[in-house]
Amino acid sequence: DIQMTQSPSSLSASVGDRVTITCRASQGISNYLAWFQQKPGKAPKSLIYAASSLQSGVPSKFSGSGSGTDFTLTISSLEPEDIATYYCQQYNSYPLTFGPGTKVDIK
Amino acid sequence: EVQLVESGGGLVQPGGSLRLSCAASGFTFSSYAMSWVRQAPGKGLEWVSAVAGSDGSTYYADSVKGRFTISRDNSKNTLYLQMNSLRAEDTAIYYCANARAINTKCLGNWGQGTLVTVSS
Repeated sequence: DIQMTQSPSSLSASVGDRVTITCRASQGISNYLAWFQQKPGKAPKSLIYAASSLQSGVPSKFSGSGSGTDFTLTISSLEPEDIATYYCQQYNSYPLTFGPGTKVDIK
Repeated sequence: EVQLVESGGGLVQPGGSLRLSCAASGFTFSSYAMSWVRQAPGKGLEWVSAVAGSDGSTYYADSVKGRFTISRDNSKNTLYLQMNSLRAEDTAIYYCANARAINTKCLGNWGQGTLVTVSS
């Protein structure tokens, strides 16, 4: 199975800050990488697929990059509504696997 | 608009069974792979099972293999998860999710979830 790791596990940043979350796969997954946002008490929401493609309706302040084993999610300017836990997930092969999540809050 | 509505959760004793349902609308259900993903209280996301849209092939996490069975009824646009031999560690919110496109495993839309509690 492909293991996914994320760093940091949590972060606190100021409104307007640029925020970067990293995700690493235990083996190469090409660009079969998705990012999800989960706000407290809500279902996860798709942000990015194919490592860097923005899901329809997602603000352009979110961006993704990477290929192979190393990936990043960037929020260009943090806003209060971005408070959430962010998960990466590989879909290169079954079983699908998620990273442990990165909790983002406002400083 | 895509809608996924889960039902069937509840309180069940260890060793018991439960069947979850996910009613889908707003897309051509039969063409899309569907998955179940769960989240234990205060924990992260764990993929549980998937069923392909094309040939109905099924896939399971090791943690549920042999105990859970995923199925779909394309005539009713409904996804199911039959859960047997339930354990305390199966306690979680169970979400259904569709693939974001035909012929991809990438998850797209998610339902609101249904809570399963395994306790005596």
